[in-house]
Amino acid sequence: DTAVSQTPKYLVTQMGNDKSIKCEQNLGHDTMYWYKQDSKKFLKIMFSYNNKELIINETVPNRFSPKSPDKAHLNLHINSLELGDSAVYFCASRPDRGENTEAFFGQGTRLTVV
Amino acid sequence: GQSLEQPSEVTAVEGAIVQINCTYQTSGFYGLSWYQQHDGGAPTFLSYNALDGLEETGRFSSFLSRSDSYGYLLLQELQMKDSASYFCAVKTGDKIIFGKGTRLHILP
Repeated sequence: DTAVSQTPKYLVTQMGNDKSIKCEQNLGHDTMYWYKQDSKKFLKIMFSYNNKELIINETVPNRFSPKSPDKAHLNLHINSLELGDSAVYFCASRPDRGENTEAFFGQGTRLTVV
Repeated sequence: GQSLEQPSEVTAVEGAIVQINCTYQTSGFYGLSWYQQHDGGAPTFLSYNALDGLEETGRFSSFLSRSDSYGYLLLQELQMKDSASYFCAVKTGDKIIFGKGTRLHILP
């Protein structure tokens, strides 16, 4: 069984469209994240959730709206897509809010905006 | 602010040993982690050092010096499959911050 799964794996869409990426973890973790990895492979945190509650919004444009219906799911909706949104988006989860930094990543969603 | 510095690229020969350094500047430091990411893949956790010293896991070891705000990842008996990007990371507050990654090239 996949621990952290994201769908879709690839997403090609036109500028101005709205799209969603789904993430589910079956590890029973409390904390989930969204990261954006650009072409230079820099992993930048976007959002952090703990038990469905938004903890961190790392100055991400309002066009990005995460939603966590329960602690096993964290989805990402993006409105009015722009060329600069092209990147790989990773969902990740971590056991708790303690010091453990072992995060488990999904396989990533490669978003291409044309 | 928080920052982690690591070399952008390192090249080594198959069978050799390579060290990837990381210096960090953070508030509320708990420990230093290392992740591996192959091209097209997801980052995967390798190690975590909370205390000073060397932690060994098979061919990979990780070192931390809290007083120097410095750590490194040591890879021994390099294999071609070790060609990947390696990220150091720290937890600060509720987020995990990653360095910009070191691309490891291995020559046959």
